[in-house]
Parts: sequence; C-alpha cells; structure tokens
Amino acid sequence: NAGVTQTPKFQVLKTGQSMTLQCAQDMNHEYMSWYRQDPGMGLRLIHYSVGAGITDQGEVPNGYNVSRSTTEDFPLRLLSAAPSQTSVYFCASSYLMGGNTEAFFGQGTRLTVV
Amino acid sequence: GENVEQHPSTLSVQEGDSAVIKCTYSDSASNYFPWYKQELGKRPQLIIDIRSNVGEKKDQRIAVTLNKTAKHFSLHITETQPEDSAVYFCAASVSGSEKLVFGKGTKLTVNP
Repeated sequence: NAGVTQTPKFQVLKTGQSMTLQCAQDMNHEYMSWYRQDPGMGLRLIHYSVGAGITDQGEVPNGYNVSRSTTEDFPLRLLSAAPSQTSVYFCASSYLMGGNTEAFFGQGTRLTVV
Repeated sequence: GENVEQHPSTLSVQEGDSAVIKCTYSDSASNYFPWYKQELGKRPQLIIDIRSNVGEKKDQRIAVTLNKTAKHFSLHITETQPEDSAVYFCAASVSGSEKLVFGKGTKLTVNP
C-alpha cells in the first residue's frame, strides 16, 4: 500500500494563479481532509469529507474548493492564489468506525505564493 | 464548533525527566482524542489515542489521561529521550461530524 500520496511536494505560484493539490489514498478510508500548517498555528482544517459526494467546511475554507467524486481522491483547488495561502498543506485519511480513528497523513505540499 | 487549546507551546526537559502536555476542548460531544508527533520536516504520526469511554491509556513510556467533566486531556511522557524531541499535537473529534480539530502544538526539546 502506498498510503496517502500528495502531489506536488513543492509549488511556487504567482498571485492570482489557480492550481489543484492532489491527494489519493489506497486504504479505502471513508474520511479525508485537508489541513494547512503555519508556524505557531498548528494544523488548521480547511475542508473534509466523510465519503464520496460529501464534503464540508473546516475552520479556514475561504479561497479553497474541494470535491470527492471517488473514495480514493480528494483534490484541493486554490481558485485565485494569494500570499496568505503560502503554507504547508497536508492531506489525511482515516477509517470511520463508530467515530474517527487514526489519521494517516500525506508527505505534505509546500506552497509559496509570490 | 470545536476548539482545542494546547499548553505549553514550548517545553524543554532534561533527558530522563517526565514531560506533560495539556489540552482542553470545548465541545462536550467530542469522543475521540488522539495525539500526534511531528518530527522536523516530516508528516504527523499518531502516537496514542483515547476514546471518551476510557479515563487513561498507556503505551510503554507514553500515557494519555482524559477528564470528561473538565473537558481536558493530557499526554505524559516518562523517561524522556533525545529522540522524543518533536512537535506534539493533540486533537479532538465529534462522532457524527467526524471533524478532527487540532491544537496549536507543543515543541518538546529533550536535552541530553
């Protein structure tokens, strides 16, 4: 099993550009989520999904879109990049068994918006 | 929505000492409380978790305690070693929404 795979690992964008961060898992996990990690701010939840076709907003959803057309994939779209979106982004997935369980994280994407 | 507060933000201990990190949560419906360790430049990884029907859980040198009445839970690391140096995150999740919310992290430094 590859686990949770994120691409790309690094990305530089110009202000106003759009892009999609890819996330795929091969563990048949129902729950998938996106976090951003900034110094001193911990891991802040952007969007999450409890299954194909179901998504919901987290703490910091503005400027980001997600969709969940399959169990395996959960892409994060930046509509119009801003310098405030410079961050490290992590995708995570987990089983749901009467509640959440261990979350497995991807290796992260370091995004810089100039 | 759920809010998780974590203290302290930094913690420095001598090798062999114990370390304690505390978290409080706001939603009384939260029922799953994991702890993650993140080494520099790496992804977070689960080290221990506890559910609301249990008051304490141990795994070798680490333990987690949960006080549902006070809505706080703590991570205890005994006999600390330099390889325990990392950032530790607590989190809470509410059954039904499954949203997993993290604290801001504690940077633990174990000095040899």
